[in-house]
Amino acid sequence: DTAVSQTPKYLVTQMGNDKSIKCEQNLGHDTMYWYKQDSKKFLKIMFSYNNKELIINETVPNRFSPKSPDKAHLNLHINSLELGDSAVYFCASRTGTGRTEAFFGQGTRLTVV
Amino acid sequence: QKEVEQDPGPLSVPEGAIVSLNCTYSNSAFQYFMWYRQYSRKGPELLMYTYSSGNKEDGRFTAQVDKSSKYISLFIRDSQPSDSATYLCAMSVTGNTPLVFGKGTRLSVIA
Repeated sequence: DTAVSQTPKYLVTQMGNDKSIKCEQNLGHDTMYWYKQDSKKFLKIMFSYNNKELIINETVPNRFSPKSPDKAHLNLHINSLELGDSAVYFCASRTGTGRTEAFFGQGTRLTVV
Repeated sequence: QKEVEQDPGPLSVPEGAIVSLNCTYSNSAFQYFMWYRQYSRKGPELLMYTYSSGNKEDGRFTAQVDKSSKYISLFIRDSQPSDSATYLCAMSVTGNTPLVFGKGTRLSVIA
């Protein structure tokens, strides 16, 4: 029973296309994140959602837009994909109170050709 | 100066060795500290969680936080080939602000 699940696991698409990555958590957490991991394995925060409210957007291009239909889901929509968007995207969730570990999904490997 | 510094390695040790991994940070407001292990083509897996300063032990793993020195460590005892992975330190100011990661240290344990 996966705590944080992302789909798809792999995504290959052409430049200029629009794509979405879905994320769901069954932990009852209040906060969800999207991270981007580059080729050098560095994890950088893209978005943070707390109770469906966007609270941080770390200078990400506005071609990227997070959408949260409810507390358990945080999807990432990307418009007009560029070659430089190729990376692994990770979703994570965290409770925000008490013992606040963050749990990550398995990642979506996006390749733009 | 980057907010979190971590030596990327690679670090290669023989099986059974004690491994020491560490990170330094510049933001004194960090209070929540975590260590993650990431295998190739997998998501980060939480290993250790520490709030504020102190030590924490879990099996072969020990995490230490020294807030006065802005320095955190992860020790792995009796290292195994299955410990070969990238180890990432992460920290945050509050319980729901984003984790800031180090660049990760790649560890190889040789049988």
